[in-house]
This record gives sequence, C-alpha cells and structure tokens, in this order.
Amino acid sequence: DTAVSQTPKYLVTQMGNDKSIKCEQNLGHDTMYWYKQDSKKFLKIMFSYNNKELIINETVPNRFSPKSPDKAHLNLHINSLELGDSAVYFCASSLFAASGKSYEQYFGPGTRLTVT
Amino acid sequence: AQSVTQLGSHVSVSEGALVLLRCNYSSSVPPYLFWYVQYPNQGLQLLLKYTSAATLVKGINGFEAEFKKSETSFHLTKPSAHMSDAAEYFCAVSHSGGYQKVTFGTGTKLQVIP
Repeated sequence: DTAVSQTPKYLVTQMGNDKSIKCEQNLGHDTMYWYKQDSKKFLKIMFSYNNKELIINETVPNRFSPKSPDKAHLNLHINSLELGDSAVYFCASSLFAASGKSYEQYFGPGTRLTVT
Repeated sequence: AQSVTQLGSHVSVSEGALVLLRCNYSSSVPPYLFWYVQYPNQGLQLLLKYTSAATLVKGINGFEAEFKKSETSFHLTKPSAHMSDAAEYFCAVSHSGGYQKVTFGTGTKLQVIP
C-alpha cells in the first residue's frame, strides 16, 4: 500500500536513554516533516526536510536530531530522553509547494513515546 | 504570521443531527485552509482543502466547508452525523509556495450520541 509508515508504533523507555524513530513514505513526495502531539492533542511542527535538506527547524532542544538519508526517509533521534518528551510523534510528507500552490500533508500512524 | 482558532474543544451532537465545527483563521497573505480528521490512535487524514478555486469545498465522508473571507472563517459542516464521525478534527492554515509551514488549530473533539 502507498502510505507513510513509522516504526516503532510504541516506544517505552527510561529517562536518559537514547532512542530513534524511523519514517518512510512511498508516495513520491519530496518533503517530509516531524510533528509532536502532546497529551492535549496540540500538534507542533518540529522539523521539515525537502530533498534531504533541512528547511524548517523550530525551537526544539538539540537533543532532537533529524536525519534524512534520502527523500523517502526521515528519521528522528532523541538523546538523553526526558519525561517531557513523552508524546505522540507523527511523520508526514507532501510535495514541495511551488508558487501559487499548497499541498496537503499525508501523515503516518504515529509513534507513542513514553518516558518513565 | 498565520494562525487558526477552533471554537469549542468538545462538540456533542446526536446521531442524525447537523455537525458544525468552527474555525477562524488569521493570515497576512491569501490562505490555504485544510480540515483533517484524527480517529483514535491513528494519524491525521485530510477531509478537505480550500485552495481559492471555490469557496464551498466538498470533502470525504459527506463533509463540506465554506470559506468566508469577510468573516475569516472556514467552518466544517455535515448535514447528518453518523456514529463513525466521532473523532478529533483539526483546522489548519498555510500559504502558497516555498517552504510552507502548516499551522494547526488546537482541535475539536466530536462526540456523536446515539
């Protein structure tokens, strides 16, 4: 199926650990995103890559490091996990919007990260 | 700068009743507007989008939304609620071109009462 997929779906870990979340899309999109959704369902953009180039980098602790090996993959590595990192992390993808256009984003199923 | 405000974090309707979810936007340039739905434990799915072609936009599952520039609104409606419509709904705004950043509203949880 064509889609945005993420692994793992659930991640439970202890404070101080390092973990990674992986995302892949086979929609032929050239732009990918990481969002964080908190317990109140608020969605906040973290990062965006276009053709492996970082184009959006919101105010996120530098413990979070995204990496895009190619335009179909976007990974998120988190160092020294803290309790406040507990959230659902969504990957999304879209086409890059040329002038006069705006494209919708396609979301993955999310990774629920719980830090204990 | 751009933002959206969703009025009502929780909306309850009876099955078969009209669904109305409110969204007001703020944008310094002509906006592109979206409604997404999130079912429990799932990612967001696009319901519909406004891209200036027509002010009344029809989406999936019988939903539609009307862009009203004078009111800076983009409310989502459905004539008759179904139990399967129970979900979280997000309004979002972006602008055309370039490194577009989508700003999401805080969401409205729709409860459908049998």
